[in-house]
This record gives sequence, structure tokens and C-alpha cells, in this order.
Amino acid sequence: AQTVTQSQPEMSVQEAETVTLSCTYDTSESDYYLFWYKQPPSRQMILVIRQEAYKQQNATENRFSVNFQKAAKSFSLKISDSQLGDAAMYFCAYRSPNTGNQFYFGTGTSLTVIP
Amino acid sequence: DADVTQTPRNRITKTGKRIMLECSQTKGHDRMYWYRQDPGLGLRLIYYSFDVKDINKGEISDGYSVSRQAQAKFSLSLESAIPNQTALYFCATSDLTANYGYTFGSGTRLTVV
Repeated sequence: AQTVTQSQPEMSVQEAETVTLSCTYDTSESDYYLFWYKQPPSRQMILVIRQEAYKQQNATENRFSVNFQKAAKSFSLKISDSQLGDAAMYFCAYRSPNTGNQFYFGTGTSLTVIP
Repeated sequence: DADVTQTPRNRITKTGKRIMLECSQTKGHDRMYWYRQDPGLGLRLIYYSFDVKDINKGEISDGYSVSRQAQAKFSLSLESAIPNQTALYFCATSDLTANYGYTFGSGTRLTVV
């Protein structure tokens, strides 16, 4: 089974500042996808951003961007101009091309935004 | 209406009781999944289904069973609930590749007392 590690259980950021959430993964596969999901207190799982492993260019979605380092098996999420609404639990996920496209999730990082 | 609907939203049940969590979807996806979320453990796969006749165990299937009644419906059962099955349960769907991620339901918070 693939493993996904989020080493920061909790993070905090001042409103309008930038924060980076870390994620590493272990795999021997070459064709995979990586995702960041946001879970606010409403507990709904919301897709933030996705990265295709064969693309070297880092994905960006408005204030959210990733730093994808394939050789290092690292996939960090950068949130710029943090807003109060960004406060949530963030999960990193790995999609395996085998095992039925199963997702493997990290343990999550709880982000607090300080006004 | 939500693309993926889970019922109930919250449930408290007693040890030893049988309980069913239900999931229905309007996405037209063939693939459906049940995950369990525990604090500090993230989400872990219980069962997944590629279609009505194809059901597979996930990482933590012991103590659970599933039924795929139709393409749009996938239910999770706890035959005899125990306290350590207290968790947040998510149903999710995807297309064939899941390249664009899962569509999640809003979760069922289950408490076994």
C-alpha cells in the first residue's frame, strides 16, 4: 500500500500571509495523481487542487499552488493571502493507478487563520 | 440536491445493534467508495465497488459489509456495532479514472455507545 505522510498536525497563519503545508508520499508507481482536499467545520470534503505526476509544471488554482518534487516524492500546498475561510483540515491524497484507482490519504493538517 | 447524498447525517446507536448507512448519487459514476475518518488517522478505505457486480474489500473491511443495490446506491452495514466503530463515514464516487478526484458525500457521524 502507498503511504502518505503529513508531518504537521497543526499549522497557523496570520490573515493575508502565506503558509505552506507539507506532504510526502512513498510509491514505486510512475503514473499517479496527487490531490489536496479541504475539510472545513461543515465536514464536507472539497477538492482544492490536483497534480498529474507526469507534468513537471506545478498546478495553481487562484491563491493555492503546489510545489511538486517528483524525485523527492514531495507535494506541498502553498496558500497565499490567507483568508479566514481557509481555516480547515487539509488532506493530501495519492491516487494509485493500480488497486482500482484507490486514494490514499494523509492524516491531515489543521490550519488556523489568525485575524 | 447534492450529487452524493448520505443518510443519516448523524446517528447514535448502541453496542451490538445493526446499522445501515446509505449513499446515493446522481453523478452517473460507476465507482463508489466507503471511507472512514478518525482523528489523527485520516481517511481509510473500507469497501469499494466498480459496478453492481464488483465489490472489493479495502484496508479496514472487518466488521463491515456493503451492498450495491443499483449503480446509484451503495450502502454500508455494521452487523453488530462496537464502540471503536465510532467515526465519521464518507461515501465517495468517481468516474473510471478518478483523475479529477472523488465526489464526496457530506458524511455520516456515527457514535456507538
